[in-house]
Amino acid sequence: GAGVSQSPRYKVAKRGQDVALRCDPISGHVSLFWYQQALGQGPEFLTYFQNEAQLDKSGLPSDRFFAERPEGSVSTLKIQRTQQEDSAVYLCASSSLAGGYEQYFGPGTRLTVT
Amino acid sequence: GQNIDQPTEMTATEGAIVQINCTYQTSGFNGLFWYQQHAGEAPTFLSYNVLDGLEEKGRFSSFLSRSKGYSYLLLKELQMKDSASYLCAVRGDNDYKLSFGAGTTVTVRA
Repeated sequence: GAGVSQSPRYKVAKRGQDVALRCDPISGHVSLFWYQQALGQGPEFLTYFQNEAQLDKSGLPSDRFFAERPEGSVSTLKIQRTQQEDSAVYLCASSSLAGGYEQYFGPGTRLTVT
Repeated sequence: GQNIDQPTEMTATEGAIVQINCTYQTSGFNGLFWYQQHAGEAPTFLSYNVLDGLEEKGRFSSFLSRSKGYSYLLLKELQMKDSASYLCAVRGDNDYKLSFGAGTTVTVRA
């Protein structure tokens, strides 16, 4: 497809379960970002990849959060031992340039932890 | 740290003009972005300002004053489909990370 895709679109997890969220960026895009968006708030930066290198993970809330982009295209955000406060929409964005001017966002994965 | 403020909600009539203000205090500045986000959908890029002044793009315009830490997004000839959240975002002292405000929900009434 032409845009950024994410799967699943909705995920319900029981507290303590592990989840994996997938992002397919626009083909050829160098930069990839993950954001967390709580209800009624703006997106909060989680982590940034340039190709396969994770250059910034300063926004990851805890060591339960882990992201990877092993071949410089598809990325996975993994959350271990989910907690209720992890409930949010997780947005992925990509950009053609190193640096991220004009980021193109995916539709997000809505995670609900019960 | 980054501090970005914008009003929570605004209401306007179809065909009217609405101005959404954004003030920011950030460590460094490398550009200000406006995004539109319809409920349950992805944010979509509207505008980018890095120099002072007004950028016009169809019905939407964006203004920046770096010395005042201030921007606004102007929406003209409002249409019902413009009802959405509008997000102000600043790129700070690196060249990739965006810090977003909480968003302004604009409701357009007939």
